[in-house]
Amino acid sequence: EIVLTQSPATLSLSPGERATLSCRASQSVRTYLAWYQQKPGQAPRLLIYDASNRATGIPARFSGSGSGTDFTLTISSLEPEDFAVYYCQQRSDWFTFGQGTRLEIK
Amino acid sequence: EVQLVESGGGLVKPGGSLRLSCAASAFTFANAWMHWVRQAPGKGLEWVGRIKSETDGGTTDYSAPVKGRFTISRDASKNTLSLQMNSLKTEDTAVYYCATEIAGWFDSWGQGTLVTVSS
Repeated sequence: EIVLTQSPATLSLSPGERATLSCRASQSVRTYLAWYQQKPGQAPRLLIYDASNRATGIPARFSGSGSGTDFTLTISSLEPEDFAVYYCQQRSDWFTFGQGTRLEIK
Repeated sequence: EVQLVESGGGLVKPGGSLRLSCAASAFTFANAWMHWVRQAPGKGLEWVGRIKSETDGGTTDYSAPVKGRFTISRDASKNTLSLQMNSLKTEDTAVYYCATEIAGWFDSWGQGTLVTVSS
């Protein structure tokens, strides 16, 4: 099973700042990686797929990069609605998720 | 807009059974690959299983923790996805989401239904 490790577990930032979230895979997943956002009491929402492609309706401030085992989700300038939990997911070998990064207001 | 509505959750004793449903609308359900994903209280996301579209054979795949206990099925006439859960364990306690798949990604999600396994 491919294990995805996200860091940091919690990220404390202020609106307007830049957020950088990491996801590391236990073996190469090529670019078969996605990012999801989940707010309290809501279902996850697909943000990024194939490592760097924004899903429909996702603002341009969200961007993804990486390949192989190391991936990054960047939010260029945080809006109040961006504070949530973010998960990465791979589909190279079945489907697994990272444990999540909580992005909280500083 | 794609709509997925789960139902059937509740409290069940260890060893018991429960059947979840997911009503789908606003897309061609028969052509969709569908998944169940769960989330234990306060925890992360865990893939449960999937069923391919009928045109792709309608075959199923499951994660190791649920294989042999859970069964996914679909009814195209009712646009409904089902998850039959048998031999339930306390560790199956979670919110269960149904989701559509687009090229391996979970594109649309329902709001989830809570399953609690406790004596």
